[in-house]
Amino acid sequence: QLQLQESGPGLVKPSETLSLTCTVSGGSISSANYYWGWIRQPPGKGLEWIGNVFYSGTAYYNPSLKSRVTISVDTSKNHFSLSLSSVTATDAAVYYCARHGATRQQLDPWGQGTLVTVSS
Amino acid sequence: DIQMTQSPSSLSASVGDRVTIACRASQSIDSYLNWYQYRPGKAPKLLVYTASTLQSGVPSRFSGSGSGTHFTLTVSSLQPEDFATYYCQQSYTIPYTFGQGTKLEIE
Repeated sequence: QLQLQESGPGLVKPSETLSLTCTVSGGSISSANYYWGWIRQPPGKGLEWIGNVFYSGTAYYNPSLKSRVTISVDTSKNHFSLSLSSVTATDAAVYYCARHGATRQQLDPWGQGTLVTVSS
Repeated sequence: DIQMTQSPSSLSASVGDRVTIACRASQSIDSYLNWYQYRPGKAPKLLVYTASTLQSGVPSRFSGSGSGTHFTLTVSSLQPEDFATYYCQQSYTIPYTFGQGTKLEIE
């Protein structure tokens, strides 16, 4: 059974870079049938799609975050990563990783999520 | 961006009830509409994809319908574990966007 698990610092200072990793277990990240993505949910707000990446390294981003975000993949470690630069309080959220179907882009499964707080 | 609007935002119902949640897209998304269930402390769960395809392992009391701009998720007979928040999501075009959620509560 495929499982995804987010990891990374739970506290990031304003103006610094948020870095998270999603480790995939129970299956290979090097599949042509899937993309691997990130979604976030600020406290009390809705879900926001951040972007996704193919095992080849091709990535797609939400235009609202594109100037600050990088999603990369490491097939040797079977994980993918999120980097979000110049964070502010509005970037505080629960960050989820999830697998995207390659053709219909449905999200399944999801990780449990990790809370990131932005504070000095 | 395509805006996704769910209604109602919250809903009170009882075990055994039939409930329907609506989701409207600001422009046509063909059938690229997915439904998720969220329970606190758990990972969001895919219920239905491409508007009406039930994800493997999801109980048959869940069903989805619609195309274009109007979609619905129906639970035919609510069970205690169904009281949760439900989200629709369009996967027609980037950025993929979600509805604001519908919180289903016990009456």
